[in-house]
Amino acid sequence: AQKITQTQPGMFVQEKEAVTLDCTYDTSDQSYGLFWYKQPSSGEMIFLIYQGSYDEQNATEGRYSLNFQKARKSANLVISASQLGDSAMYFCAMRELTSGGYNKLIFGAGTRLAVHP
Amino acid sequence: GAGVSQTPSNKVTEKGKYVELRCDPISGHTALYWYRQSLGQGPEFLIYFQGTGAADDSGLPNDRFFAVRPEGSVSTLKIQRTERGDSAVYLCASSSQANTGELFFGEGSRLTVL
Repeated sequence: AQKITQTQPGMFVQEKEAVTLDCTYDTSDQSYGLFWYKQPSSGEMIFLIYQGSYDEQNATEGRYSLNFQKARKSANLVISASQLGDSAMYFCAMRELTSGGYNKLIFGAGTRLAVHP
Repeated sequence: GAGVSQTPSNKVTEKGKYVELRCDPISGHTALYWYRQSLGQGPEFLIYFQGTGAADDSGLPNDRFFAVRPEGSVSTLKIQRTERGDSAVYLCASSSQANTGELFFGEGSRLTVL
């Protein structure tokens, strides 16, 4: 069965510093997709970044980058130059394999990030 | 607004009552999803619609839960004979295509069953 593990319930970082949020996954599928979402206190889930299992390059989106280590089955999120507005819950997710290729996502338990001034 | 809209934002009900939660997706988005997020957990998949039809309802916990999307736009999640364990935030998401990486989520409907 597919599983996402986020071992850090909470993290804090100083403003302008970089922070890494850990994510490991378990799957027997050869083709899969990995996602990171941000959930601020308002409750909505905001898409940050996506990595396909066959992508050779690590995904990057602005200050977000995904450190994808396939052999270790890890997909850590790196946030550079942290800002106060980055304080939120962060969820790692994997797309479950489906015949239609739709976004049936399995989420981890999340990591709460606090950015300190 | 331009985003996914969910109503009500908060619903408190008594055990055994019937509840409806509404989702208005982004205009033109054909794919619609319902997820449930219990306290301290990540969201869990409930059901996926492509157009009007439920293409995958494997995440619905039991037959007390039902969802419809009669015109391929607005969706309603219906819960019969609510139980205290149904208390959670119910999140709706939509996307323009089924297999795109980006889902657009609403702010959720928080259901509390007393």
